[in-house]
Amino acid sequence: IAGITQAPTSQILAAGRRMTLRCTQDMRHNAMYWYRQDLGLGLRLIHYSNTAGTTGKGEVPDGYSVSRANTDDFPLTLASAVPSQTSVYFCASSTSGGGSYNEQFFGPGTRLTVL
Amino acid sequence: GQNIDQPTEMTATEGAIVQINCTYQTSGFNGLFWYQQHAGEAPTFLSYNVLDGLEEKGRFSSFLSRSKGYSYLLLKELQMKDSASYLCAVPDSNYQLIWGAGTKLIIKP
Repeated sequence: IAGITQAPTSQILAAGRRMTLRCTQDMRHNAMYWYRQDLGLGLRLIHYSNTAGTTGKGEVPDGYSVSRANTDDFPLTLASAVPSQTSVYFCASSTSGGGSYNEQFFGPGTRLTVL
Repeated sequence: GQNIDQPTEMTATEGAIVQINCTYQTSGFNGLFWYQQHAGEAPTFLSYNVLDGLEEKGRFSSFLSRSKGYSYLLLKELQMKDSASYLCAVPDSNYQLIWGAGTKLIIKP
């Protein structure tokens, strides 16, 4: 693989179900991010990780959790999905974070519908 | 707090020039980013300005005025493939990006 990948591409999920969105990058970037994008709103940061082993809360973290066990992977988990979590989810990475202003590279996105 | 404003939608003609504005309010300033996002695709990086003035990259230029909290993206010699949304973003106090809602640019032949 080259760059940043996300899986699944799209998913329809029943409310109350648990779901993990996967994100993998092969650029050896230290920083990774999860955003959601809703019509009429800008990208909103859910969680981020400046380096493997650390994570931080973004603007809209409630209902979501993340882990960063290694450099390449940054999964996002919805413990109990609700309809308001219907959105397009983008994973991104950058060379470094936390004070360094580097270009972010985005994955292709996951379109999630919660019914 | 942070606030970013961009026009929701703009229309321009193929071959023409268009200027997309972005105004921002931040507690501290650490640069401004522009990204392009085609419909159904991921955002891609266009430019990063941290100093006042105009930076040119081919058909695209980005301008920044820190004293006015203002930036614009200038697109010249518009092509149909420039039809996309253009996103403005600034870092917050935790160094994470805050994004504008984006400007949808429609190019007409």
